[in-house]
Amino acid sequence: AAGVIQSPRHLIKEKRETATLKCYPIPRHDTVYWYQQGPGQDPQFLISFYEKMQSDKGSIPDRFSAQQFSDYHSELNMSSLELGDSALYFCASSLWNSDYEQYFGPGTRLTVT
Amino acid sequence: SQQGEEDPQALSIQEGENATMNCSYKTSINNLQWYRQNSGRGLVHLILIRSNEREKHSGRLRVTLDTSKKSSSLLITASRAADTASYFCATDADTSGSRLTFGEGTQLTVNP
Repeated sequence: AAGVIQSPRHLIKEKRETATLKCYPIPRHDTVYWYQQGPGQDPQFLISFYEKMQSDKGSIPDRFSAQQFSDYHSELNMSSLELGDSALYFCASSLWNSDYEQYFGPGTRLTVT
Repeated sequence: SQQGEEDPQALSIQEGENATMNCSYKTSINNLQWYRQNSGRGLVHLILIRSNEREKHSGRLRVTLDTSKKSSSLLITASRAADTASYFCATDADTSGSRLTFGEGTQLTVNP
């Protein structure tokens, strides 16, 4: 069965640079979520989209923005990167109003040097 | 912010034994989901239990939910070395708009 696809899998950036992470949800899933997991931490919710509209917002820095496109894929844009942004970034997808069973992608490991 | 806590934080058992992990949470929920994560890798969805359910089974997994105590447990029977991973519970609070709030996780080690 098709899973959530994330790209790139690994990304190394320098401070103050920008990064774009991409997420392709499971086919027919209409809701996308982004989570950040720091080293040794549990995942923290950043933001979610349903039918291309932001549906919920968590602890996402103002330096980050995200959107969902007409084909339901989503991109997380991160600017003015800081050392503390180094983390695993997960995308998850679900069907709206289906118990919101969320399936996660393999994650993008971002390292900021 | 932490929705809940997991107990124990680390668990080491022998292959063939059962492993029980507990999760507590703070708010009313729509459902509770359990995930497995191998070191530094993706989160694998294990099972979802709705707030109106008390017990659910999937293969070697058994999940219970006690909404009066705001707690859940995950039992893995007949454990295998391949079960070695971190296990997280995650709640979908009924006021959260479907975001998941994760517990701190239990690191399970199954020794061959």
